[in-house]
Amino acid sequence: SQKIEQNSEALNIQEGKTATLTCNYTNYSPAYLQWYRQDPGRGPVFLLLIRENEKEKRKERLKVTFDTTLKQSLFHITASQPADSATYLCAPATMDTGRRALTFGSGTRLQVQP
Amino acid sequence: GAVVSQHPSWVICKSGTSVKIECRSLDFQATTMFWYRQFPKQSLMLMATSNEGSKATYEQGVEKDKFLINHASLTLSTLTVTSAHPEDSSFYICSARGQTNYGYTFGSGTRLTVV
Repeated sequence: SQKIEQNSEALNIQEGKTATLTCNYTNYSPAYLQWYRQDPGRGPVFLLLIRENEKEKRKERLKVTFDTTLKQSLFHITASQPADSATYLCAPATMDTGRRALTFGSGTRLQVQP
Repeated sequence: GAVVSQHPSWVICKSGTSVKIECRSLDFQATTMFWYRQFPKQSLMLMATSNEGSKATYEQGVEKDKFLINHASLTLSTLTVTSAHPEDSSFYICSARGQTNYGYTFGSGTRLTVV
């Protein structure tokens, strides 16, 4: 069955450092992969999408890589700030017309210490 | 950008009563909306897919008679938790596909507490 794995242990880092979060998937052939941020008591917020033919995608301090051979995506936050503290969810997805729901990994909680 | 408005943000109800949660797409039309449930320290679990003008599709293990979904218009889907019990206490979130970049837009969620 399809499986999405994210490190369930919280990631604690110092402000200014780079945070790296991992998303591994099995029994999937996603056409693209999305990353979301979720704050406590709030719905997820879309951050980035990377397609299968893209190795890397950047948006401001965020960088996502997508290795379809390793079946893995890495999510980096450079120059991290306490405001980056949240849970980050990955969601591999196949091509669709918006009629298919996303399936999420369990999420990794990031805590950035000042 | 695409905005999904979800109300109420929190509700407390007595066991045995029903609660309705609304999800509206404010600046786009959503023919399909999705309802998720999230328990503490867990990820979002899809409950059902709401299709405008037709019946909702429920995930395995989700009771369709308990979680009534209505998608009467292109901008509104509602989830009614009928005869709520304490085990239904959870965080309910709706979602719709935005118009750009394949990103999905989520409502802010509804914290339901059944006492």
